[in-house]
This record gives sequence, structure tokens and C-alpha cells, in this order.
Amino acid sequence: RKEVEQDPGPFNVPEGATVAFNCTYSNSASQSFFWYRQDCRKEPKLLMSVYSSGNEDGRFTAQLNRASQYISLLIRDSKLSDSATYLCVVTGNQFYFGTGTSLTVIP
Amino acid sequence: SAVISQKPSRDICQRGTSLTIQCQVDSQVTMMFWYRQQPGQSLTLIATANQGSEATYESGFVIDKFPISRPNLTFSTLTVSNMSPEDSSIYLCSVGGQATNEKLFFGSGTQLSVL
Repeated sequence: RKEVEQDPGPFNVPEGATVAFNCTYSNSASQSFFWYRQDCRKEPKLLMSVYSSGNEDGRFTAQLNRASQYISLLIRDSKLSDSATYLCVVTGNQFYFGTGTSLTVIP
Repeated sequence: SAVISQKPSRDICQRGTSLTIQCQVDSQVTMMFWYRQQPGQSLTLIATANQGSEATYESGFVIDKFPISRPNLTFSTLTVSNMSPEDSSIYLCSVGGQATNEKLFFGSGTQLSVL
């Protein structure tokens, strides 16, 4: 079983839409959780950390559900510039990356 | 956050040759990590580069194929040896992640194509 599983998408949404991504992880002892953003042929860049209490950064909200072992990312009022691949990342004895969810925001 | 310079950014290589990728960090770090991202796949850890000792390789990766150097606390190299088309990937170095909730930061990556 993979450490981290994500729906690969693609998600194609119109500008202004709200879109949500989910990710599940297998190791209940995982301690740190992140969402990274990766543009085509570029390195992953940290989008936000994910905490049990949930956290929000502008249009982005991340949630962690330890009981069900899933992480979510909500993007409100999508912009064209949000088009990218979003990687769910979970730590155990190393960083484990999901395969990413592809988002395209359409004008 | 750390600033990581990685080069080359891309290369096209012939089968059987070797390529060395360099990574320079703007601060001293204990560990540096080398990842591979094959097309459509997630990032996979190749090895952890420790200063003053041999690199620690993950399952499926061996030193003969991916020799690593770590001469000081700000620099590391990864060599992809005796390349085949299956080695075509993005290779990334990274630092960080040593404490709970500490993030990983990545170099800009090396896009390798093997013909």
C-alpha cells in the first residue's frame, strides 16, 4: 500500500470556482503534513503546512483528519495562476509524496 | 528558507554515459536529500547525503549507480552512472525537514533525458 494516495485528476474548473482535493495516508504515526505546489517541469514549492486545527492562508484552506487519516486542500475563487499540480506530503521516517493532483483553471 | 542552486537544469545524454548533478546551499546543513521524479510519478527518495560519511541509500538505489559526494556542509553531487533511457527523470536535491513541521526546500531540479 502506498504511503500517500491522491486522486490524480485532472480537475478542470472555471475561474472563480471552489475546488477541493483530498489525500489519504497509511501511517497513523505520521507527524507532519504539507501541501506543495509543482508547476510543469519545475521543483515543488511549499504551499502550506497542515495542522490538526486546520489552517487558512487567503483563498487556501487545509484540513487534517487524523482519525480518518486524510488531508484536504480547499481553493476558493480559483485564479488562472492556480493551475498546477498539488502534492500531498506526509512525514514518517522520510518525506512521502503523493503523485499529485492536476488542476487547470479555465478562463 | 534555504536557497539551493542546482545545475545543470537540463541535459540530454547518450546511453552508457554518466552525468554529475551539483547542488549548492546558501547555508550549512547536516543532511541533503536527492530525489527522483519519473514522468507522471511522485517524488522518490534516492539517498540522504551526510557530510563526513557515506550516503544512505533507499531500497532500490545503489551507490554504484548513483554515487554521491558531500565534501562539506553546503555542497553535494549526485552522479547518474551508465545511463539508460529508464534514467530519464527530474532529479532534485533538497534540504530541511529535520524537525517536526519543518519543511523541505528543493533545488530547481535537473531534467535528464537519456537517448
